[in-house]
Amino acid sequence: DVKVTQSSRYLVKRTGEKVFLECVQDMDHENMFWYRQDPGLGLRLIYFSYDVKMKEKGDIPEGYSVSREKKERFSLILESASTNQTSMYLCASSPRRDRGYEQYFGPGTRLTVT
Amino acid sequence: QKEVEQDPGPLSVPEGAIVSLNCTYSNSAFQYFMWYRQYSRKGPELLMYTYSSGNKEDGRFTAQVDKSSKYISLFIRDSQPSDSATYLCAPVMFSGGYNKLIFGAGTRLAVHP
Repeated sequence: DVKVTQSSRYLVKRTGEKVFLECVQDMDHENMFWYRQDPGLGLRLIYFSYDVKMKEKGDIPEGYSVSREKKERFSLILESASTNQTSMYLCASSPRRDRGYEQYFGPGTRLTVT
Repeated sequence: QKEVEQDPGPLSVPEGAIVSLNCTYSNSAFQYFMWYRQYSRKGPELLMYTYSSGNKEDGRFTAQVDKSSKYISLFIRDSQPSDSATYLCAPVMFSGGYNKLIFGAGTRLAVHP
């Protein structure tokens, strides 16, 4: 079974703080993704990576950055957290670039910025 | 207009009912059509997917795509309380060398005993 784990289930941060969300997958998947999920809006893609040290912007990258130093780990960074970044953050991985549609998700991190 | 529209529900049915969950989409370039199930306070889990038009069956679940009308359906037979969850459709676009999932907002389903 694919296992995607995220460092925290719940996180509360203050406006202006730098926030790190960590994601680890144990299935040697090439691709990793970060989404945020908000009521009525569905999942929106923030960043993705198809290889180590590689990153691509998704639909809503503003205010975020990512890091992928190892194949199994993909980090999302909020440089200066703002209240509009309060959301559920979901990490996903998929086996290969040509199977990028087959995505497996972690349990999510519910981030509240006050 | 959103690329993928999905009725948010909630849809409440008795145990044993046949459930129909639907999405419409606007982009004819979509080729794969994914269905995810998300339990409360959990991440989405891949349920099944189809390629292009037609039906695909997996146990009590059937996914159907009608590309001519841009309509995606998921049918659940003999629904169980354990099927209570939010169901997300996600057509796939091939863009810039990558597969990109375009998620609907999800339909919340409640199956009561």
